[in-house]
Amino acid sequence: AQTVTQSQPEMSVQEAETVTLSCTYDTSESNYYLFWYKQPPSRQMILVIRQEAYKQQNATENRFSVNFQKAAKSFSLKISDSQLGDTAMYFCAFMKPYSGYSTLTFGKGTMLLVSP
Amino acid sequence: GAGVSQTPSNKVTEKGKYVELRCDPISGHTALYWYRQSLGQGPEFLIYFQGTGAADDSGLPNDRFFAVRPEGSVSTLKIQRTERGDSAVYLCASSLTVDHEAFFGQGTRLTVV
Repeated sequence: AQTVTQSQPEMSVQEAETVTLSCTYDTSESNYYLFWYKQPPSRQMILVIRQEAYKQQNATENRFSVNFQKAAKSFSLKISDSQLGDTAMYFCAFMKPYSGYSTLTFGKGTMLLVSP
Repeated sequence: GAGVSQTPSNKVTEKGKYVELRCDPISGHTALYWYRQSLGQGPEFLIYFQGTGAADDSGLPNDRFFAVRPEGSVSTLKIQRTERGDSAVYLCASSLTVDHEAFFGQGTRLTVV
């Protein structure tokens, strides 16, 4: 079974600064997908960024980028130029390939507060 | 519709009552998923439909929980004899196929008093 650990229950950052959220995972799979999801107060889970384990290049989506360290089983999210709208819960998640979202395993989340 | 729609948004029920939670997926999406998110936790998988059939129900916690998707579109999660421990946000997601990105609804917050 896969496990996902987010060791930071809460993080704070000021607007325009950079913040990094940590995630580690445990799996015996050699190929898999990793995700960061954002959950604002509306409760809807919104995909922020996705990484495929067989790709060495770190994924980037505008202000969001990841540091994927496969050997260390680490998958951190960096948010640059933080905005007030980034305030939300952030969940790291793991998924087996070719098995669909029934294998999606989430961490407990990190609450990010962006202040003016 | 434009996105996954879940109704009701909030539901308060008394212990022992029966509840139904509804999910309207994105039109044309064949795969549909239910997750449960307890307070302070990430979502946990409950059941997955491919078309009308439950392809994987391994996450359902016990036989009080049941879900259907009779026409391969709308799905209903049914909980019998509700318990206080069933209080959680129930999230639904759908995807075009099992290999495509899943999109989530805004969930139903169930409170059992």
